[in-house]
Amino acid sequence: AQTVTQSQPEMSVQEAETVTLSCTYDTSESDYYLFWYKQPPSRQMILVIRQEAYKQQNATENRFSVNFQKAAKSFSLKISDSQLGDAAMYFCAYRSGPMEYGNKLVFGAGTILRVKS
Amino acid sequence: DADVTQTPRNRITKTGKRIMLECSQTKGHDRMYWYRQDPGLGLRLIYYSFDVKDINKGEISDGYSVSRQAQAKFSLSLESAIPNQTALYFCATSVSGRISDEQFFGPGTRLTVL
Repeated sequence: AQTVTQSQPEMSVQEAETVTLSCTYDTSESDYYLFWYKQPPSRQMILVIRQEAYKQQNATENRFSVNFQKAAKSFSLKISDSQLGDAAMYFCAYRSGPMEYGNKLVFGAGTILRVKS
Repeated sequence: DADVTQTPRNRITKTGKRIMLECSQTKGHDRMYWYRQDPGLGLRLIYYSFDVKDINKGEISDGYSVSRQAQAKFSLSLESAIPNQTALYFCATSVSGRISDEQFFGPGTRLTVL
């Protein structure tokens, strides 16, 4: 079974600076997808960014980018120019690629990000 | 209006009570999921349904049951609630046929079992 590990329970960053959240995963599959979800205090789960394993290019979404290292099974999230609204719990998630496995997500334990003004 | 709604948003109940959490969606998605979130454990899959006639157990289905009343409705039941079922519960939806499709989450239900 696949597992996702987020080794940083909490992180802090100064407003306008850059922070990187770590995520590693364990799988024997070659076809899969990785996601970062944000959960603000409102509890809503918001998709931040996704990465297809077959793509070598790292995904980016405005101030959010990933460092995807397939061989190392690492998928870190970099937030640039941090803003107060970035404060939230961040979850890394894995999904098997083949459609017969459906769309089931396996989540990490989460990292709380605090942004200091 | 929210695309995925959950009722109730918060619920306090007692050990041994039966409780139902409801999820409705207007996205027209065929796939629906129930997750629970616990501190330090992230979200874990309880049950999932790929269409009205297809329901499957997830990672932690013991103590739970589900009903897919229609494509838009997916309910989670705790037949006899126990304190370790205290958690935040999320419903999610997705659509089949897309390789890297997104799951859309409801706002969550905070359940406390005393």
